[in-house]
Amino acid sequence: SQQGEEDPQALSIQEGENATMNCSYKTSINNLQWYRQNSGRGLVHLILIRSNEREKHSGRLRVTLDTSKKSSSLLITASRAADTASYFCATESYGQNFVFGPGTRLSVLP
Amino acid sequence: KAGVTQTPRYLIKTRGQQVTLSCSPISGHRSVSWYQQTPGQGLQFLFEYFSETQRNKGNFPGRFSGRQFSNSRSEMNVSTLELGDSALYLCASSLVRTGGFQETQYFGPGTRLLVL
Repeated sequence: SQQGEEDPQALSIQEGENATMNCSYKTSINNLQWYRQNSGRGLVHLILIRSNEREKHSGRLRVTLDTSKKSSSLLITASRAADTASYFCATESYGQNFVFGPGTRLSVLP
Repeated sequence: KAGVTQTPRYLIKTRGQQVTLSCSPISGHRSVSWYQQTPGQGLQFLFEYFSETQRNKGNFPGRFSGRQFSNSRSEMNVSTLELGDSALYLCASSLVRTGGFQETQYFGPGTRLLVL
């Protein structure tokens, strides 16, 4: 069953602005990850946050995790045209396969 | 280290035919997972293999099958192709850590299958 659900489905911003994407899930998890996919290509791992962590940073990326609300957010600061892609959250639970959400399509306009 | 490779990259088949896709994981990775990606259904998990054994399976018909070899390379096979099987098939490899968790998956570029 689909676990991760991203919100919004699509987001369009200007270069330099920040982009925030949200992910909700339904069951207990071991970790949550964010991936990026450029049009029609493989997914690239961005960041992993474990269930006992609340926030992680990697370059211009900031991820938060709220296990009480079963939600996570991905913030991309100072966005660039090259950030244009689809972003997916994925959850991993013990004994279960990875579950990916439907993704957020981000367009960064020059 | 070389990344995950998938062959072929593009494939055109007709209904009723069968197809075999190949995936070579990152060296040292023993877990290989397969996903189907379509515009309508998104990324759907097909199956995961670890040390030549299927660990998890998604909700796909028996026409979809896979296997893993002793060198961790994996193949997936789709028999009796249907139009709806047209999709991007992605393979991902990972380490499996203590407790059975994969954590980060590394994806290949995918095989785009078109069924006519």
